[in-house]
Amino acid sequence: GDSVTQMEGPVTLSEEAFLTINCTYTATGYPSLFWYVQYPGEGLQLLLKATKADDKGSNKGFEATYRKETTSFHLEKGSVQVSDSAVYFCALSRGGGSYIPTFGRGTSLIVHP
Amino acid sequence: DSGVTQTPKHLITATGQRVTLRCSPRSGDLSVYWYQQSLDQGLQFLIQYYNGEERAKGNILERFSAQQFPDLHSELNLSSLELGDSALYFCASSVAPDRNTEAFFGQGTRLTVV
Repeated sequence: GDSVTQMEGPVTLSEEAFLTINCTYTATGYPSLFWYVQYPGEGLQLLLKATKADDKGSNKGFEATYRKETTSFHLEKGSVQVSDSAVYFCALSRGGGSYIPTFGRGTSLIVHP
Repeated sequence: DSGVTQTPKHLITATGQRVTLRCSPRSGDLSVYWYQQSLDQGLQFLIQYYNGEERAKGNILERFSAQQFPDLHSELNLSSLELGDSALYFCASSVAPDRNTEAFFGQGTRLTVV
């Protein structure tokens, strides 16, 4: 079945450091890929998405590129801020009649001043 | 604010009891999803409804059931509760079950079984 694998956290960085959170997936067909972010005490909210191979999703300085050849969708940000501290979830939603978003386990990011 | 409303925000109950969690989707959204989030299992898909009908089932226990009403709100019923059912339960909604459609999440109901 479909699955999403994320790097385990927590990821601890200093402010202005470069961020990469790895995500790989397994799915049949051509899934859409998403990154969601969960701030403390809140629900998940969409950060960015990409719907086909080589698409780049971007939002709030975060970027991720849909790489079909490596089945990956790594999240990057050039300079993190304390306010980016949250849990990040990679997810996919594939076609073929089953559009249920499948989530990775989440990666906690802690940014220190 | 995602537009998805979940009540109650917190629930503490004893083992063996039954509880009902409620979700009101975003205005115009026809599809509702329920997820369970626990520390050891991550975010697990439970069940999906679309326009009042069950569309897909995930890792939902037989002790759990759900429904979506004509006004599109949804309820998740958890019965014969066990300590291991303690978790955050999220509801999400989308316009339609489409591979490109973003799901909007509520703030969750934190269930504690004691």
